Amino acid sequence: AQSVAQPEDQVNVAEGNPLTVKCTYSVSGNPYLFWYVQYPNRGLQFLLKYITGDNLVKGSYGFEAEFNKSQTSFHLKKPSALVSDSALYFCAVRGGEGMRFGAGTRLTVKP
Amino acid sequence: GAGVSQSPSNKVTEKGKDVELRCDPISGHTALYWYRQSLGQGLEFLIYFQGNSAPDKSGLPSDRFSAERTGGSVSTLTIQRTQQEDSAVYLCASSPGLGGSYEQYFGPGTRLTVT
Repeated sequence: AQSVAQPEDQVNVAEGNPLTVKCTYSVSGNPYLFWYVQYPNRGLQFLLKYITGDNLVKGSYGFEAEFNKSQTSFHLKKPSALVSDSALYFCAVRGGEGMRFGAGTRLTVKP
Repeated sequence: GAGVSQSPSNKVTEKGKDVELRCDPISGHTALYWYRQSLGQGLEFLIYFQGNSAPDKSGLPSDRFSAERTGGSVSTLTIQRTQQEDSAVYLCASSPGLGGSYEQYFGPGTRLTVT
């Protein structure tokens, strides 16, 4: 069955430090992978996606993610975190069973 | 241009009542999705439409839930005989097509509270 796992409910980082939000997936065939962000009291916004090609994908707000087929991972990264990056982050995979989202990781960036 | 809109933004209803939630997708988007987000939980997929057709209804939690889409545009999610466990934020999303490469554009959601 198709699934997405975000192993960390919460990630805390200091402003200016690099951040990583982890995601692993299980899907048959080639995956389409997505990251979305949900700011407080707002809808989900698309950040970036991996479809094919270069394993390192760059997206909005300085975020990037690396597709690793052997580890079935698609971790979200940013070299230098901002307080304004604090939000709920969702990883999603699109396969033969449609789109499936992870449970979300709450990122808190402290000044 | 206009994004996905949902109405109402908030709905409080008594247990046992029926509710209708509305979604207006981005103009021209042929695919439309409904999700449910419970407090502290991730997104639970409910149903999707390609045009006016819903090929897979297996995500709907029970037969009290139904959805329709008319004119390839507006969609309505109906919950009959609401229960307290139906309380959640119901999110709608649309995309230009069903192809896997398309990202989804989400509405602000309808917060449903069943008392």
